[in-house]
Amino acid sequence: RKEVEQDPGPFNVPEGATVAFNCTYSNSASQSFFWYRQDCRKEPKLLMSVYSSGNEDGRFTAQLNRASQYISLLIRDSKLSDSATYLCVVRPGGSYIPTFGRGTSLIVHP
Amino acid sequence: DAGVIQSPRHEVTEMGQEVTLRCKPISGHNSLFWYRQTMMRGLELLIYFNNNVPIDDSGMPEDRFSAKMPNASFSTLKIQPSEPRDSAVYFCASSNGTVNEKLFFGSGTQLSVL
Repeated sequence: RKEVEQDPGPFNVPEGATVAFNCTYSNSASQSFFWYRQDCRKEPKLLMSVYSSGNEDGRFTAQLNRASQYISLLIRDSKLSDSATYLCVVRPGGSYIPTFGRGTSLIVHP
Repeated sequence: DAGVIQSPRHEVTEMGQEVTLRCKPISGHNSLFWYRQTMMRGLELLIYFNNNVPIDDSGMPEDRFSAKMPNASFSTLKIQPSEPRDSAVYFCASSNGTVNEKLFFGSGTQLSVL
């Protein structure tokens, strides 16, 4: 089983739709969780950290389920500019080394 | 802040040639990571430096790959000899070393080995 697994997609949604991605991780000792965004032919950039109680940043909501070992990202009111690959990132406890999932591709169309 | 600076942006070389990729991390960051990204395997960690010391190089594919960090502001990743299967985008990233601190990535080097 891979350390961090994501559905590669693509998720193809119309503008204004709500879309959700999940990411599962295998190391139960993982302590830090993040979502990164990567545009085509660009470098990954941090979208948001994921906190135990869940957190929201505008149209984006991230949640953590430790019991089932997954994190999720919800995007409300999708914009064309949300089209990108979303990378799930997990850091084991006490480690500075993050592990990246292979990403989920999102395409928002008019 | 100039961000993480990588060079070259693109490199095209022939099989068997030596390739050197360069990275300048963000000033004050004490952690540096080299990643390789391909369609098949996604982002793979090659090596991690902390305070210029290699901490984890378990991701370095084989002896053809080597990485150095002679000082806090410069790192190199060398492939000698290069092979077509090394073709990928190579990213350098830096952070300030805390477990919850985000990584800042450079723009990457697109390597093509013919």
